[in-house]
Amino acid sequence: DIVMTQSPDSLAVSLGERATINCKSSQSVLYSSNNKNYLAWYQQKPGQPPKLLIYWASTRESGVPDRFSGSGSGTDFTLTISSLQAEDVATYYCHQYYSTPLTFGGGTKVQI
Amino acid sequence: QVQLQESGPGLVKPSQTLSLTCTVSGASVSSGDYYWSWIRQPAGKGLEWIGRIYTSGSTHYNPSLKSRVTISLDTSKNQFSLKLSSVTAADTAVYYCAKNWNYLDSWGQGTQVTVSS
Repeated sequence: DIVMTQSPDSLAVSLGERATINCKSSQSVLYSSNNKNYLAWYQQKPGQPPKLLIYWASTRESGVPDRFSGSGSGTDFTLTISSLQAEDVATYYCHQYYSTPLTFGGGTKVQI
Repeated sequence: QVQLQESGPGLVKPSQTLSLTCTVSGASVSSGDYYWSWIRQPAGKGLEWIGRIYTSGSTHYNPSLKSRVTISLDTSKNQFSLKLSSVTAADTAVYYCAKNWNYLDSWGQGTQVTVSS
């Protein structure tokens, strides 16, 4: 299994400030034949299902504000919220879809 | 736009079989290059992928649950189902169904299942 390790477990950020979440995979999720990283990011608010934010490590899902960005390759990835808004308070998960079993990071809780 | 809705009993007794159904609208469970997945989340904890089924009917299961899991398609009703046998309190969670083309791109709202006598 590919183990996904997120850091930190939680962070508090002031409104308008930057939030950075890290995700490390136990093996590379870069598929050499197409040069794509099989890594996605989700946002989950209490009582709601996860919402897809980023896929292929850096492609923003339609409708997701451009303050959310994803970067990284291979085994090390980052989700950045450039200017935190009140509605961004949530738990964020990274997810690898390179191989089964599909796995998720443990989550990072972002608070104001 | 694809929509998914989970349904099934909210309470299951220990040692019995948990059975859930996901009804899909906006896409066909039997055509297209998609998988249909089940994921669960215990209260206050992270996400665990249970398994998935392809439009052809082929399946992949999480090895941690493989001996107890069956996922199947009902093409006549445009649904897919989850059966988890010999449940214990550790199986108490919110269960989600999701459409899976590589990443999980559409999710149901989730259904709470509690295992208790």
